[in-house]
Amino acid sequence: DTGVSQDPRHKITKRGQNVTFRCDPISEHNRLYWYRQTLGQGPEFLTYFQNEAQLEKSRLLSDRFSAERPKGSFSTLEIQRTEQGDSAMYLCASSRGDRISGANVLTFGAGSRLTVL
Amino acid sequence: GQNIDQPTEMTATEGAIVQINCTYQTSGFNGLFWYQQHAGEAPTFLSYNVLDGLEEKGRFSSFLSRSKGYSYLLLKELQMKDSASYLCAVRANDYKLSFGAGTTVTVRA
Repeated sequence: DTGVSQDPRHKITKRGQNVTFRCDPISEHNRLYWYRQTLGQGPEFLTYFQNEAQLEKSRLLSDRFSAERPKGSFSTLEIQRTEQGDSAMYLCASSRGDRISGANVLTFGAGSRLTVL
Repeated sequence: GQNIDQPTEMTATEGAIVQINCTYQTSGFNGLFWYQQHAGEAPTFLSYNVLDGLEEKGRFSSFLSRSKGYSYLLLKELQMKDSASYLCAVRANDYKLSFGAGTTVTVRA
């Protein structure tokens, strides 16, 4: 397994455009998370999936943001009508989420860096 | 809500020891994690504490006191490659990690 993969690694877009990020988690992980990180800050939770079900969305996730995980495998995060304040690193993470692995350690991908001009 | 505090920056000399403190106030507690993040890279897992006490893993150790809402990460025999941001994170429920802002450690020769 190659870990958590994210694509694209970098995206530069103009304000008002739509962007979509993809995350491929570790194959045996049933939990998937999206976080956002800005310079000098820790990752901020955006949303969480268990299999294909989206179980929590942060208040940070405005109506312009939508995330899906249609078959419980890969996930997409779409941002519509981007604004300059959306510029950040978008991190995806996955974990096993079973009772055996008590730590439920999140493994992060390298992130997708978004710059909105 | 969650409130997780850690120092912004620390500097230490190669071969020395550095201790990064983290205090937290959360609505629940189900584990405390430390992650390392090099500039431009993904956070990588370092340690996990759910019970009080010290967990040692090679050059890195992590301590937890749940009654005090306090943890520290101890880095021994510092190496240049240890220059990175160290993130303290608390899991308040079954799945969600909340992170502090991170402590940037600079190791000088």
